[in-house]
Amino acid sequence: AQKITQTQPGMFVQEKEAVTLDCTYDTSDPSYGLFWYKQPSSGEMIFLIYQGSYDQQNATEGRYSLNFQKARKSANLVISASQLGDSAMYFCAMREGRNNAGNMLTFGGGTRLMVKP
Amino acid sequence: GAVVSQHPSWVICKSGTSVKIECRSLDFQATTMFWYRQFPKQSLMLMATSNEGSKATYEQGVEKDKFLINHASLTLSTLTVTSAHPEDSSFYICSASGTGPYEQYFGPGTRLTVT
Repeated sequence: AQKITQTQPGMFVQEKEAVTLDCTYDTSDPSYGLFWYKQPSSGEMIFLIYQGSYDQQNATEGRYSLNFQKARKSANLVISASQLGDSAMYFCAMREGRNNAGNMLTFGGGTRLMVKP
Repeated sequence: GAVVSQHPSWVICKSGTSVKIECRSLDFQATTMFWYRQFPKQSLMLMATSNEGSKATYEQGVEKDKFLINHASLTLSTLTVTSAHPEDSSFYICSASGTGPYEQYFGPGTRLTVT
């Protein structure tokens, strides 16, 4: 079974509008971390935001926020005030385990976001 | 933030030759490094986990004799693609773990083309 599912292969958003990128995950481990990365055409993986499974509040980083719904096992990324430079692939990823710094990330299939001027 | 470098950023090689890709953590010690492969328009797939001073752990379906990984120091891991074939052409990305749960730093990637 897929551990990370991103159901939107591609999305369009109008510049300056907000957009939500969906991510659902599957794990039986109570300790895990959820990540969102942006990958522009250059290929580099740019870290956007992190949410720990025990974090009480939704994570926010500038224009990025993570809508964490633990019971639904979803971790949607919200980008506010979209900019043309936001056009890229976006990946949701999960790391499992309490002392999980040495554990791998499992990635979803990605969502290509295209911002229209 | 921490920096991870990869060298080379791109390489073209002939079928049958070997190619070595280096991954360095520049300002921190990385006990664990990871190697991912990404085909065009696809996601990142973990190839192997590299631990300093020990043998790498390969994911199912990844040939360890073809993709040799060496993690000889806390700042350097290398991936050698041996006897490369055109189907090995891909984007290879390494990452290194920091001490915090959210600390996962990626290198800029290496684009390998085998002709």
